[in-house]
Amino acid sequence: EVQLVESGGGLVQPGGSLRVSCTASGFTFSRYSMNWVRQAPGKGLEWISYISGSSNTIQYGDSVKGRFAISRDNAKNSLYLQMNSLRAEDTAVYYCARDYCTPDCAPGYWGQGTLVTVSS
Amino acid sequence: QSALTQPPSASGSPGQSVTVSCTGTSSDVGGYNYVSWYQQHPGKAPKLMIYEVSKRPSGVPDRFSGSKSGNTASLTVSGLQAEDEADYYCSSYAGRNNPWVFGGGTKLTVL
Repeated sequence: EVQLVESGGGLVQPGGSLRVSCTASGFTFSRYSMNWVRQAPGKGLEWISYISGSSNTIQYGDSVKGRFAISRDNAKNSLYLQMNSLRAEDTAVYYCARDYCTPDCAPGYWGQGTLVTVSS
Repeated sequence: QSALTQPPSASGSPGQSVTVSCTGTSSDVGGYNYVSWYQQHPGKAPKLMIYEVSKRPSGVPDRFSGSKSGNTASLTVSGLQAEDEADYYCSSYAGRNNPWVFGGGTKLTVL
């Protein structure tokens, strides 16, 4: 069974930094690309970052480009999102999502999410 | 403003069918057969219901179906049931530099 468990969320001040993690199990982690998708309170889904299985391809949405960094450790079955220069509008539940297919077809398996709150 | 346009709400009575639309452009929905649909109940993570326009993951009831015409994709839920009441989001591949774009979501109410 595919399982994704996010951790590391919490309260951080504007301008601060935070790293959230996603631990995967139930599949060969290195074979699949991974994504971070966030959802602000009461709002819709927003894709923010993508990383291929080998980390050769990395992409960011415009709203986080230059501030966030995605990475993965295939030996630890883990995905990370380093978030710097945080703003109030970054407040959201952050989901990691594994692609359903290989090659990619859609973010198919999602974790339960971790809440990041940016506030003073 | 979301990249893909969905109606904010839709509704139907139990047993009826309802269709939710998702309009994009030739750079996303119209350009690729990688449209997906997600169901999200309050406080829960999104669940993949349809991928590659019309394919259903294992375990998704065949009451859920997807289609696409030009720049508009559609999700149809037939034989509505109370548990289908949820938010539904469409998504599309939009190219190498911005892989996935989402719609703003549609709240489906079972009357």
